[in-house]
Amino acid sequence: NAGVTQTPKFQVLKTGQSMTLQCAQDMNHEYMSWYRQDPGMGLRLIHYSVGAGITDQGEVPNGYNVSRSTTEDFPLRLLSAAPSQTSVYFCASSYSTGGTSYEQYFGPGTRLTVT
Amino acid sequence: TQLLEQSPQFLSIQEGENLTVYCNSSSVFSSLQWYRQEPGEGPVLLVTVVTGGEVKKLKRLTFQFGDARKDSSLHITAAQTGDTGLYLCAGEGSQGNLIFGKGTKLSVKP
Repeated sequence: NAGVTQTPKFQVLKTGQSMTLQCAQDMNHEYMSWYRQDPGMGLRLIHYSVGAGITDQGEVPNGYNVSRSTTEDFPLRLLSAAPSQTSVYFCASSYSTGGTSYEQYFGPGTRLTVT
Repeated sequence: TQLLEQSPQFLSIQEGENLTVYCNSSSVFSSLQWYRQEPGEGPVLLVTVVTGGEVKKLKRLTFQFGDARKDSSLHITAAQTGDTGLYLCAGEGSQGNLIFGKGTKLSVKP
């Protein structure tokens, strides 16, 4: 199993550009989520999905869109990049929610710089 | 709002020393998870504690969940350079969401 994969590993965008961060998992997990990690801020939840066709907002959703058309894939779209979106982005998945089912498997991250 | 406070924020020790890091809250959590994150990588799950008072051991690492399920601790015995990393706790909140602390950055020097 590859686990959770993310592409690209690094990306530089200019202000106003759009892009999609890819995330895929091969563990048949129902729950998937996107976090951003900034120095001193910890991991903050952007969007999450409890299953195909179902998405919801997390703590910091503004400027980002998601969709979940399949169990495996959960792409994150930046609509119009801003310097404040410079961060490291992590995709994670878990079997479900609740107790040990909520144990998160993280991807390797995408380091995004917006100039 | 449920928060998890981790302390200390930074810890630098010599190889062979023991250490304890803490994860505290004023709120009750139904379960708590501990992760370790190495530079340039995603967090990796170490353990989940579910029952108040529970103690779990993973080689030299001992995890404890407080009796009231509001706090947890991670004790490392005879730290090694390979223990270096960011240690994160995460709790399942009352609304079913997962809440992360900001982490303890541990540096173990040879």
